[in-house]
Amino acid sequence: GNSVTQMEGPVTLSEEAFLTINCTYTATGYPSLFWYVQYPGEGLQLLLKATKADDKGSNKGFEATYRKETTSFHLEKGSVQVSDSAVYFCAWMDSSYKLIFGSGTRLLVRP
Amino acid sequence: NAGVMQNPRHLVRRRGQEARLRCSPMKGHSHVYWYRQLPEEGLKFMVYLQKENIIDESGMPKERFSAEFPKEGPSILRIQQVVRGDSAAYFCASSPGLAGVMSYEQYFGPGTRLTVT
Repeated sequence: GNSVTQMEGPVTLSEEAFLTINCTYTATGYPSLFWYVQYPGEGLQLLLKATKADDKGSNKGFEATYRKETTSFHLEKGSVQVSDSAVYFCAWMDSSYKLIFGSGTRLLVRP
Repeated sequence: NAGVMQNPRHLVRRRGQEARLRCSPMKGHSHVYWYRQLPEEGLKFMVYLQKENIIDESGMPKERFSAEFPKEGPSILRIQQVVRGDSAAYFCASSPGLAGVMSYEQYFGPGTRLTVT
């Protein structure tokens, strides 16, 4: 069925390390893809998006490329900061405009 | 421009009581979505509404749950006769709902954390 699979957390990194959070999706067609971030006690904030194959979404040093051939949308950042500690959700939008979310990946960045 | 507003932020109910969660979309947005987040899980879609219309309620439990988005006022998610399993964070999102897929980009509120004792 339609789903999103994210790597399990927590992911623990030292400050300035390179980050990759894997995300693959199962969907019909070519849906829009999103990464959301949730800081403790808060709602979700849109981090970046891509609407078609080979698009690269980017924001605040984070990037993700829409890979149609591997149905993936992995999140990367070259140098993480302590303030990036949060839960990251990968999602796609289906044809009726609802978001299908992965289970989230908790990132902990140590000073 | 105020974001999506939800209230209350925290709600405690005893089993069997009713819970009412309110969501005011961003100014100019006419589409509202409700999602539920169980502890340590991702968000699950519940219902999608436009003003005075339910567009998609495929994620709503068949019993005890209802939602509305009246012509005036906030959207309301109502849970009757709450049980412990209803304890979760309930998030509302809104979108402009104009033509084009990116007009359906969803902006989330801070959520209501419901605890059933």
